Amino acid sequence: DTEVTQTPKHLVMGMTNKKSLKCEQHMGHRAMYWYKQKAKKPPELMFVYSYEKLSINESVPSRFSPECPNSSLLNLHLHALQPEDSALYLCASSSGDPYDYGYTFGSGTRLTVV
Amino acid sequence: AQTVTQSQPEMSVQEAETVTLSCTYDTSESNYYLFWYKQPPSRQMILVIRQEAYKQQNATENRFSVNFQKAAKSFSLKISDSQLGDTAMYFCALMNYGGSQGNLIFGKGTKLSVKP
Repeated sequence: DTEVTQTPKHLVMGMTNKKSLKCEQHMGHRAMYWYKQKAKKPPELMFVYSYEKLSINESVPSRFSPECPNSSLLNLHLHALQPEDSALYLCASSSGDPYDYGYTFGSGTRLTVV
Repeated sequence: AQTVTQSQPEMSVQEAETVTLSCTYDTSESNYYLFWYKQPPSRQMILVIRQEAYKQQNATENRFSVNFQKAAKSFSLKISDSQLGDTAMYFCALMNYGGSQGNLIFGKGTKLSVKP
């Protein structure tokens, strides 16, 4: 399995809702990432998990809460979002091995906040 | 600070022709990697080609090749025999490698349209 699987593919939520995005990989990768991508812009890093521990938080608002329950799974919990949080949320993973660099991306969750 | 600059917001090319996408970067690190990613309308970011900075030989992957000029900090992508399926957003990215994981720094992207 050489894929990163993200669910759901599309999500519409109200500003008072709580929802979660899910990301899964079975490549044995030890680093996993959340990126946010607005239309016609490059992805922006949000969080990095390395060996299941949060290693980078790029000053993301607390209404986004990441979780890494195990080495294959990464969640992003959403609460009290704003319309400007509407974007494509991409998950990625990497092995962390210098001889096997490069990220594998999922196809993203298109989030709309209404 | 590390930056990646793609100066061509949009480009178009006729099917079967060759096109070159430009990318320049800036980093103070000596050990780094460069990538080209493709993002078609399906949204998934797909790795096209990668280059280790310590290698002088330019990377090639089938119809895709790079022109890596380390001194000029330039990393252009050449697509030969363009196909309709090459239509996508192309992002140049830089990764300084340190520790157990790196961080990708993306350029703003070049939207490539391949016309029949």
